[in-house]
This record gives sequence, structure tokens and C-alpha cells, in this order.
Amino acid sequence: AQSVAQPEDQVNVAEGNPLTVKCTYSVSGNPYLFWYVQYPNRGLQFLLKYITGDNLVKGSYGFEAEFNKSQTSFHLKKPSALVSDSALYFCAVRDRGDKIIFGKGTRLHILP
Amino acid sequence: DTAVSQTPKYLVTQMGNDKSIKCEQNLGHDTMYWYKQDSKKFLKIMFSYNNKELIINETVPNRFSPKSPDKAHLNLHINSLELGDSAVYFCASKDSDSNQPQHFGDGTRLSIL
Repeated sequence: AQSVAQPEDQVNVAEGNPLTVKCTYSVSGNPYLFWYVQYPNRGLQFLLKYITGDNLVKGSYGFEAEFNKSQTSFHLKKPSALVSDSALYFCAVRDRGDKIIFGKGTRLHILP
Repeated sequence: DTAVSQTPKYLVTQMGNDKSIKCEQNLGHDTMYWYKQDSKKFLKIMFSYNNKELIINETVPNRFSPKSPDKAHLNLHINSLELGDSAVYFCASKDSDSNQPQHFGDGTRLSIL
């Protein structure tokens, strides 16, 4: 079965600094990968996806993610963090039958 | 013009009661889902329907019964509520193109007393 792992429970970054939220995947076949963000008391919001093509995927709110096949990683990045980026971030992979498997989430704290 | 809407937003009830959560999407999507998010924020799929037909049924107690009267609605009925059912339940929908992302509602926080 497909799976994703988010090794960090929490990431702290100073405002204005670059941020990275890590995700590694384990799939059979081609990976279909997603990043979602969850703000307090809200549902998940889609940020970006990798299906095929360029390894650098650009998404909402200035986020991007780099697909690395050799390292089986799909890390989320942003060049300059904002306090408003503080939220819970989920990496996800598409499984058989349209099922999405989510990672356990990484809490991102942007410090003013 | 909320895309995926769930009601109620909060549900507080006694153990042993039966309750329902409703979900509606106005995106014209064919597929709808129910997820459970526990206190550690772990998100687990429960059910998926495509055009009113059950597609995914994970290992969920049969006290949980989804119902889809039409493709825009997927309701969740829970019988004999237990303390462990306390969680946030999210509804989501998706276009039939399998590479499209899911759109989530804002969740229903269920608290069992």
C-alpha cells in the first residue's frame, strides 16, 4: 500500500526565513502526491500536487514542493515565511480506488 | 457560496444516543468522502461514495452508516454513540478525474459526554 511519512511533528521558523516541511513517500508505481494545509477550526485546503512533469511544483500562497525520485521525497518549501503560514500541513498520496492517504501532519510555527 | 458545507458545526451529546451529520457540496463533484480526525490530528478515511454508490468502506464499526440521497449529499448517521467517537468529522468531495484534489468542509466537532 502507498504511504507517506512526515518525520517532524513541529517546525519553527522565523518570519522572513525560508521554510521546509518534509515528506517522504513509499509507493508502487507512479506517485501522485499532494500537500494540504489546515488552519484552526477549518477543513483541509489544497496547496499543490505532483502528478507528472516538472519536479518543482508551484502552488497556492507562494508555496512550492520539490519531487525527488531518488530520495522518495516531496518536501514543501517557501522562500520567505509569513506569520500567517502558521498552520498544520499534511502530505498525502493517492492510493488505489481514489483513496487519499494522509501523513500525520506537521505543525508549522512562524515566529514574528 | 460555500463549496462543501457540513451541519452541525458542533455536536454535543450523551453516550448511547443516535445522531446524524449532514454534508452537501455545490461543486458538481461525483465523489464524496467522510474522514475522522482524532485528538492527535491524525486523519483517517471512513467512507467514499461515487454517484451515490459506496466505493470505500474502511474498517469502521457498523454503528456508522453513510447515506447518499443524491450525488451532492453524503450524510453520516451514527448509532449508539461511544466515548471513542469523539472527534472532528470532515466531509470532502472530488471531481471524477482521479488526479484532482479533494475539497473539504470545515468539520463537525462531535463530543460525547
